Amino acid sequence: GENVEQHPSTLSVQEGDSAVIKCTYSDSASNYFPWYKQELGKGPQLIIDIRSNVGEKKDQRIAVTLNKTAKHFSLHITETQPEDSAVYFCAASKISGGYNKLIFGAGTRLAVHP
Amino acid sequence: EAQVTQNPRYLITVTGKKLTVTCSQNMNHEYMSWYRQDPGLGLRQIYYSMNVEVTDKGDVPEGYKVSRKEKRNFPLILESPSPNQTSLYFCASSWAENSNQPQHFGDGTRLSIL
Repeated sequence: GENVEQHPSTLSVQEGDSAVIKCTYSDSASNYFPWYKQELGKGPQLIIDIRSNVGEKKDQRIAVTLNKTAKHFSLHITETQPEDSAVYFCAASKISGGYNKLIFGAGTRLAVHP
Repeated sequence: EAQVTQNPRYLITVTGKKLTVTCSQNMNHEYMSWYRQDPGLGLRQIYYSMNVEVTDKGDVPEGYKVSRKEKRNFPLILESPSPNQTSLYFCASSWAENSNQPQHFGDGTRLSIL
């Protein structure tokens, strides 16, 4: 079955710096890769996603890149702010039995220091 | 406001005492799912439901039951809770079209089984 590895497990940056979180997946049939942000006491919130027919997607300070050949995808956050501090999860998914089964990475705890 | 609502948010109970965690969504989503979140393991799927009266096991279903009598509700039942079920639980919902759809998560239920 699918396996998703996420690195690093913790990341500490200074405000204004960039942060990069990387994930690799095992199932080459996976075709949808969402990223979720989880703030303290809240559920995961989708912040950006990418499908396998696209190599890069950007939304303001957040971008995601996908390398299908190497089976890895990354989240890039530029000009980090303290409110970016949270746990970030990557996931990989493919349609199976009529729905998209998400397999999550273990998460990255990002701390942005003022 | 579109949302997934879980209750209770926190519960401390004892081994063997049956409990139910409720989940309700107001987006008319067909697909609903339960996950547990444990440190270093990310989110793992317990059970999911494609529609009313249609449920199936996820990756870690042992010790759990679910039901889907109405489209909006998807309760998680622990008939005889044990300490290894101490965890943070999330309910999620999405459309179940045959394409990858973003999942919407509730804010979580923290269960402690003593």
